Amino acid sequence: DAGITQSPRHKVTETGTPVTLRCHQTENHRYMYWYRQDPGHGLRLIHYSYGVKDTDKGEVSDGYSVSRSKTEDFLLTLESATSSQTSVYFCAISESSGGSNEQFFGPGTRLTVL
Amino acid sequence: GDSVTQMEGPVTLSEEAFLTINCTYTATGYPSLFWYVQYPGEGLQLLLKATKADDKGSNKGFEATYRKETTSFHLEKGSVQVSDSAVYFCALSVNRGDYKLSFGAGTTVTVRA
Repeated sequence: DAGITQSPRHKVTETGTPVTLRCHQTENHRYMYWYRQDPGHGLRLIHYSYGVKDTDKGEVSDGYSVSRSKTEDFLLTLESATSSQTSVYFCAISESSGGSNEQFFGPGTRLTVL
Repeated sequence: GDSVTQMEGPVTLSEEAFLTINCTYTATGYPSLFWYVQYPGEGLQLLLKATKADDKGSNKGFEATYRKETTSFHLEKGSVQVSDSAVYFCALSVNRGDYKLSFGAGTTVTVRA
């Protein structure tokens, strides 16, 4: 299994509070991604990173920010959590390999915003 | 933009039944196609993939063929087991240097003994 961990695995917080989710990899992969999973929507990309300090927005980036100061860590921050951000969050990693775009996923973080 | 449409569930089957989950896509460029599986309480795992037209991906008894003419990548298994109960996601990626995936909504499959 790819070495990807996410912390915390579960979190309950209140509306308006800041929340940071951490993704840690031991594979030294260049690309890292944050997705959210909601019923009927599959997985939707929030932000991604293509290197240290290099990040870009995905399709549902509003209300989220990210940082990547080291290859192995990719942080997702909700500056002021809202109930619409209740979801399961997955981190993924990828390394370009002859055009094959396979991504490896972490175990997920279940976030509940009350 | 890129998009994936897959058969909505839930799908309920008896053990040893034939499973097919339809997946069609829209993409600019030439995508790689994937099926991911998510078992209860877990993250997604790659089940199989195909990177060019007419390629067949296969794994654990599952198969899918990349059909460019019909823009499809349907997942099939000839005889399902209870352990195949999971959510299945079809996905695509066009190589634009960022390796982003676009996912379908997912299909929940339940296999009864």
